[in-house]
Amino acid sequence: GQNIDQPTEMTATEGAIVQINCTYQTSGFNGLFWYQQHAGEAPTFLSYNVLDGLEEKGRFSSFLSRSKGYSYLLLKELQMKDSASYLCAPPGNNNDMRFGAGTRLTVKP
Amino acid sequence: ETGVTQSPTHLIKTRGQQVTLRCSSQSGHNTVSWYQQALGQGPQFIFQYYREEENGRGNFPPRFSGLQFPNYSSELNVNALELDDSALYLCASSLFGQGYEQYFGPGTRLTVT
Repeated sequence: GQNIDQPTEMTATEGAIVQINCTYQTSGFNGLFWYQQHAGEAPTFLSYNVLDGLEEKGRFSSFLSRSKGYSYLLLKELQMKDSASYLCAPPGNNNDMRFGAGTRLTVKP
Repeated sequence: ETGVTQSPTHLIKTRGQQVTLRCSSQSGHNTVSWYQQALGQGPQFIFQYYREEENGRGNFPPRFSGLQFPNYSSELNVNALELDDSALYLCASSLFGQGYEQYFGPGTRLTVT
């Protein structure tokens, strides 16, 4: 929704690397959040990019290109517990976050 | 540090009734945002409260209203419930302003029959 596009589902193997892409319509504020949401639970904060480039945080990295309205979340050394939905969330105009439908990642042994 | 809490966990209401959901913000946070998440969708912004006033609203009708109290806790009220209001209602607290991450509570699962 709200002009945020992510793949609906992805599948990867334990130990592998997966990249989840997100394109969005830019608003007046630059920056983008990524959240993880396990089934039946609330979203939890993963990362925030305010500048262009790659931000690395352990096994997770997030990239942002503000001019292109493009971001990706890179997950390395996948673990079974990484099976979850990943939500791309650019800030809105009301101090809110705009969420897409999310990408449901399934990690298989 | 106390996290975001919400009550009740689950609720079943009948169409046409009214409901009040409650949220306590994380300590140190002064802003509360409410989101509605339908099954299989991302959270949709309802509104945000800061300094006990509504500070931004998404595309929701006036029968969705809220309050924020001096201790920064908040309530979401929904009147004249409709079947489509069945969803997970998430409260998120943060510091005021863009660029601050929002921390979500566990949510209230509302079912309207």
